[in-house]
Amino acid sequence: SQQGEEDPQALSIQEGENATMNCSYKTSINNLQWYRQNSGRGLVHLILIRSNEREKHSGRLRVTLDTSKKSSSLLITASRAADTASYFCATDRARSGGYQKVTFGTGTKLQVIP
Amino acid sequence: EPEVTQTPSHQVTQMGQEVILRCVPISNHLYFYWYRQILGQKVEFLVSFYNNEISEKSEIFDDQFSVERPDGSNFTLKIRSTKLEDSAMYFCASSVISGQETQYFGPGTRLLVL
Repeated sequence: SQQGEEDPQALSIQEGENATMNCSYKTSINNLQWYRQNSGRGLVHLILIRSNEREKHSGRLRVTLDTSKKSSSLLITASRAADTASYFCATDRARSGGYQKVTFGTGTKLQVIP
Repeated sequence: EPEVTQTPSHQVTQMGQEVILRCVPISNHLYFYWYRQILGQKVEFLVSFYNNEISEKSEIFDDQFSVERPDGSNFTLKIRSTKLEDSAMYFCASSVISGQETQYFGPGTRLLVL
């Protein structure tokens, strides 16, 4: 598998339900980030979780990170039709010189049905 | 809130032509990146740039590609002789420093090579 693989590939839920997306990665990381992309549009940063953190919240978003399993999950509670988008996890490792190469996963397409 | 901007939003070009994609990173950011996303595929890293030089580049970033920071605000990606397979969405990103910081993405330039 590649660095940063999300599952499921596609998820369809009713408005008001919770949506859970998972991400697995292979190499050690500094941070893991979740991004959202509406069809044909740019990437919107949702949340960053550092490798020494286990859980983080932002509004209706909850992200967990398990570095022992090299996995993360994104939970969107009380979903809305406007949450319909593709969600990507992105991992990084610091390089010498301090910059970070971010590797994106393949994404989960979430459809929230009104 | 500061944001990364990109121009143009769409560009159509003939195969073999040169294109320049422009980005204005967030003003206090020091690290700059280009990514691309072929339709329906994952976001792929192209190149990172710091202190007026390339920090890392992927195998995609061959001799046809170059990057430049011609002044204090713009960051450009040039494709010298476009190929059909260069058709993709190109995203610019920037970060304050590195290692522990979020990369903020622009809205992208959709390039279509005919």
